[in-house]
Amino acid sequence: NAGVMQNPRHLVRRRGQEARLRCSPMKGHSHVYWYRQLPEEGLKFMVYLQKENIIDESGMPKERFSAEFPKEGPSILRIQQVVRGDSAAYFCASSAERGLNTEAFFGQGTRLTVV
Amino acid sequence: AQKITQTQPGMFVQEKEAVTLDCTYDTSDPSYGLFWYKQPSSGEMIFLIYQGSYDQQNATEGRYSLNFQKARKSANLVISASQLGDSAMYFCAMRGGSNFGNEKLTFGTGTRLTIIP
Repeated sequence: NAGVMQNPRHLVRRRGQEARLRCSPMKGHSHVYWYRQLPEEGLKFMVYLQKENIIDESGMPKERFSAEFPKEGPSILRIQQVVRGDSAAYFCASSAERGLNTEAFFGQGTRLTVV
Repeated sequence: AQKITQTQPGMFVQEKEAVTLDCTYDTSDPSYGLFWYKQPSSGEMIFLIYQGSYDQQNATEGRYSLNFQKARKSANLVISASQLGDSAMYFCAMRGGSNFGNEKLTFGTGTRLTIIP
């Protein structure tokens, strides 16, 4: 029973390029969350998606960032025209259902470095 | 708005001693959940323990227990008989509210725990 799978684990992009981060939730999970962690900081919420729907994107920067969770395939976090400040660890979490006590299982993260 | 405060940036504890990691929270929601996660140097986030706002008893999971004091809005993590493998960053987090879609976790800034042999 595979956990939440994120790939790539490490991603290096030059300024101005696009970064695509993938997240495959645990089997049977239809709720996906993306978080960003800057060095030496806690995780900051970015976006919450269910299959084919964005439920809460209050943490997403207004420009250059987008997320999707199609009916088939992984969830994708896309960052266009990356800048140095986008360098961070991006974590995906999934859960089977909504609810206050529903555990969110985290992937191992993608470490994005913009050079 | 929800807020989590962890006031201990770093702690050093002798092996086999108990350790308490502080966490206070702020929310206007009557229903909420509190979580603790461990992040070792390898980077993954490991779920440790959960406490619901209406739970009557403090949560326990093996060597982990949560000292939940609702009136003080605190949810401290207690690790008994610490081990070298407990060295890691520890994050307190909250999920809450009755609003639809309010599923996100709000994290504190973390406490770096180092266990000394």
